[in-house]
Amino acid sequence: DGGITQSPKYLFRKEGQNVTLSCEQNLNHDAMYWYRQDPGQGLRLIYYSQIVNDFQKGDIAEGYSVSREKKESFPLTVTSAQKNPTAFYLCASKFADSGTYSNQPQHFGDGTRLSIL
Amino acid sequence: LAKTTQPISMDSYEGQEVNITCSHNNIATNDYITWYQQFPSQGPRFIIQGYKTKVTNEVASLFIPADRKSSTLSLPRVSLSDTAVYYCLVGDRSSSASKIIFGSGTRLSIRP
Repeated sequence: DGGITQSPKYLFRKEGQNVTLSCEQNLNHDAMYWYRQDPGQGLRLIYYSQIVNDFQKGDIAEGYSVSREKKESFPLTVTSAQKNPTAFYLCASKFADSGTYSNQPQHFGDGTRLSIL
Repeated sequence: LAKTTQPISMDSYEGQEVNITCSHNNIATNDYITWYQQFPSQGPRFIIQGYKTKVTNEVASLFIPADRKSSTLSLPRVSLSDTAVYYCLVGDRSSSASKIIFGSGTRLSIRP
């Protein structure tokens, strides 16, 4: 089955520790995204990547880092600089928009819930 | 960026038709309107997308007036399993980005 796999489902971070959240897709999608969701809130964009070896900051990139070495993978590192990392993290992917009137929908993984020990 | 405004919450009963309206006054000519559904502790799931007039699929209908400044998601004969948060999004077609802005969504509660 094609889809997006996020792992782990639950993750705990100690003070001063960096942690990496995995996101893998086998949909042959071009673009990938990372969002953060706090309780009762909408999604906020952390980073996104439209092609391999290229990525851009979203609205709340501080304290996070990403890489896009392969088309299928877009790992997110939550660094110790992120002082309030407790949240639900969602990865998404989509085909690139093509043509003038095109807006491909995003496909989401089932998320990783990060908590502080 | 085209911003969307939708009700924070709505309540309805099983078997009823539910209509959720979204306002997007600054929608751009090339933008599509997309709706997602999210259950607790899951990622959002694509429901329906449209550009103008009416779109219907096996799950919902999307009504878009001629001026495209609003849209209405219609869920026919809802059930308890339709209890979720529904997001209305408008595509961002800025020259250097391909991102979609999620607002806070509409929390729909269905009662027996």
